[in-house]
Amino acid sequence: KAGVTQTPRYLIKTRGQQVTLSCSPISGHRSVSWYQQTPGQGLQFLFEYFSETQRNKGNFPGRFSGRQFSNSRSEMNVSTLELGDSALYLCASHETGSGNTIYFGEGSWLTVV
Amino acid sequence: GEDVEQSLFLSVREGDSSVINCTYTDSSSTYLYWYKQEPGAGLQLLTYIFSNMDMKQDQRLTVLLNKKDKHLSLRIADTQTGDSAIYFCAERAQAGTALIFGKGTTLSVSS
Repeated sequence: KAGVTQTPRYLIKTRGQQVTLSCSPISGHRSVSWYQQTPGQGLQFLFEYFSETQRNKGNFPGRFSGRQFSNSRSEMNVSTLELGDSALYLCASHETGSGNTIYFGEGSWLTVV
Repeated sequence: GEDVEQSLFLSVREGDSSVINCTYTDSSSTYLYWYKQEPGAGLQLLTYIFSNMDMKQDQRLTVLLNKKDKHLSLRIADTQTGDSAIYFCAERAQAGTALIFGKGTTLSVSS
């Protein structure tokens, strides 16, 4: 079974631009969540999607948004990038129902200059 | 509010046991997780424990949970240099699947 796939792995953007990151969960997993990892704040929950609906949201500004498609693939978007958005963005794939394992992808490294 | 705390650094010699500790605050946590992160990589799920259990063993890994004290530990037996990484403890609240992570413990294994 393929793991959680995130693209792109590395990207550099300019302040004020926007960025879209993609995540394909493990086959059969219908729930996807996103996290931001920075040296200062550590790992912070952004949002979670299940069956194309946002089910939970962390404490981030509205510039951070996401969506999920019918095949469970998810994208997150950050608009009007700021230097502080430089981070590793991690996608997690969850078993639903009685499953409790949560697997992460390798992440997308975003640098804002 | 919810908070997870871990010691920041642990240094051991190859072959010794490592014990990484974690405390959490949310008494309604359902599951507690341990993840490993190597440089430049994502998070690797090591193990998890349900909140009504007090111990779980998986090969070299032993998780102990003291729910009364909200204390979780991860013991790695026969620690190897390949175990050098950052280890994250995370709690999952009763509602939803969002994880609250600690700041991570850097494990350094010397030969």
